[in-house]
Amino acid sequence: KQEVTQIPAALSVPEGENLVLNCSFTDSAIYNLQWFRQDPGKGLTSLLLIQSSQREQTSGRLNASLDKSSGRSTLYIAASQPGDSATYLCAVNTDKLIFGTGTRLQVFP
Amino acid sequence: GAVVSQHPSWVICKSGTSVKIECRSLDFQATTMFWYRQFPKQSLMLMATSNEGSKATYEQGVEKDKFLINHASLTLSTLTVTSAHPEDSSFYICSGGGGSGINIQYFGAGTRLSVL
Repeated sequence: KQEVTQIPAALSVPEGENLVLNCSFTDSAIYNLQWFRQDPGKGLTSLLLIQSSQREQTSGRLNASLDKSSGRSTLYIAASQPGDSATYLCAVNTDKLIFGTGTRLQVFP
Repeated sequence: GAVVSQHPSWVICKSGTSVKIECRSLDFQATTMFWYRQFPKQSLMLMATSNEGSKATYEQGVEKDKFLINHASLTLSTLTVTSAHPEDSSFYICSGGGGSGINIQYFGAGTRLSVL
């Protein structure tokens, strides 16, 4: 059974710091892995999607890496801003999406 | 990009009533639609998967007679919470697959259900 875990569960940092959010999964047989952002009481915003054959994807200040063999992905946020405050979810896609437990990020001025 | 519209965004109902939530793919044909539930401060849990024109496949522990899913067309799926009770209060999110991306789901904005 696929299990997805995210560390840390919560993170509070001052503005400007570079951050690393971690995601681990137990079964490497995935189609892709996706990182989402969720603001309180809102739906999901897709940030980055990495296909199983890829190693990383970048979008602006965000960089996501994937090491399928070790069952790990990281989301790197450069020069964090208060507007980055949200919950970040990773999800692995087998024949369905399995979501991680989330990391609640707070960036304070 | 592919857009999924979910309606309503928020609904309050009395215990014992039924509530219908709609999920529409606006610019692509969603051959498969997924329904998720999210309790406060928890992650999303898949409830069921539906393919157009066939019965939905429910995840273990999800009551199919309570959560009725209809996927009658390639652009519309509905979730009906029958005889809702306070414990059904949650955030429900749908997604559609089958757009231009391979193995990619496009998510609706979610529906917050509060059962009094």
